Amino acid sequence: KQEVTQIPAALSVPEGENLVLNCSFTDSAIYNLQWFRQDPGKGLTSLLLIQSSQREQTSGRLNASLDKSSGRSTLYIAASQPGDSATYLCAVRSYSGGGADGLTFGKGTHLIIQP
Amino acid sequence: SQTIHQWPATLVQPVGSPLSLECTVEGTSNPNLYWYRQAAGRGLQLLFYSVGIGQISSEVPQNLSASRPQDRQFILSSKKLLLSDSGFYLCACSLAGGPGELFFGEGSRLTVL
Repeated sequence: KQEVTQIPAALSVPEGENLVLNCSFTDSAIYNLQWFRQDPGKGLTSLLLIQSSQREQTSGRLNASLDKSSGRSTLYIAASQPGDSATYLCAVRSYSGGGADGLTFGKGTHLIIQP
Repeated sequence: SQTIHQWPATLVQPVGSPLSLECTVEGTSNPNLYWYRQAAGRGLQLLFYSVGIGQISSEVPQNLSASRPQDRQFILSSKKLLLSDSGFYLCACSLAGGPGELFFGEGSRLTVL
C-alpha cells in the first residue's frame, strides 16, 4: 500500500528566502504526482502535476521535481513572499493507492513566510 | 477551464438530522467526480468516486451516500447525521481521458452538534 510522507510538518522562514518542501512515497510505480496549496478554510488549489515520465515541472516561482527511483519529489519556491503562506500537500496516484482514485495524500507542510 | 461550485459553504446540524451537500462542475463534460473528507490533523479521505451518471463507487462504509443525477452534479447525503460526520467536505473533479490532474471546490464545513 502506498504511503506518502511530507517533512517537515511545519516550516517558518523569512521573506525572500528560497525553500524546498519534501514529499516521499514508498511505491515507485506511480502514474503521477500533484502538488497542491491549501489556504485556511479553503479548498485545494492545484499547483503542479508531474507525470511519471517527467522529471520536473515549473510554474512561475515554483519548480517541482520527481525522482521515482528514490521515491521523492521536491517543491522549490523561489524568493518566498508572505502570500506563499499556506499548507502544501502532495498527492501520488499509483497502482497501490488503495482507493478507486488511486490517490494517496500526504498530510502537508504548513508554511509560514515571515514579513 | 473547469470550475467547481459547492454549497452550502458552512452548515451546522443537530445529530440525527439529514444532510445534503451539492457540487456542480462547469467548463467540462463527463468529468470524474469525487467527494473527500478532511479531518483536522489527518489526510484527505476519499468517500465516493463517480465516472458517470448513476455510477458511484463507495470507499468507506458509513451512513453517507452519494448520487450523480446529472453529468456535472454530485450530491452527498445522509439520512441521520452522527457527531463523527463533522468535518470539511471537498468535491473534486478530473477530466475524463485527461492527464489525471485533480481540481477541487472551495469545500463545505459541516459541524454536527
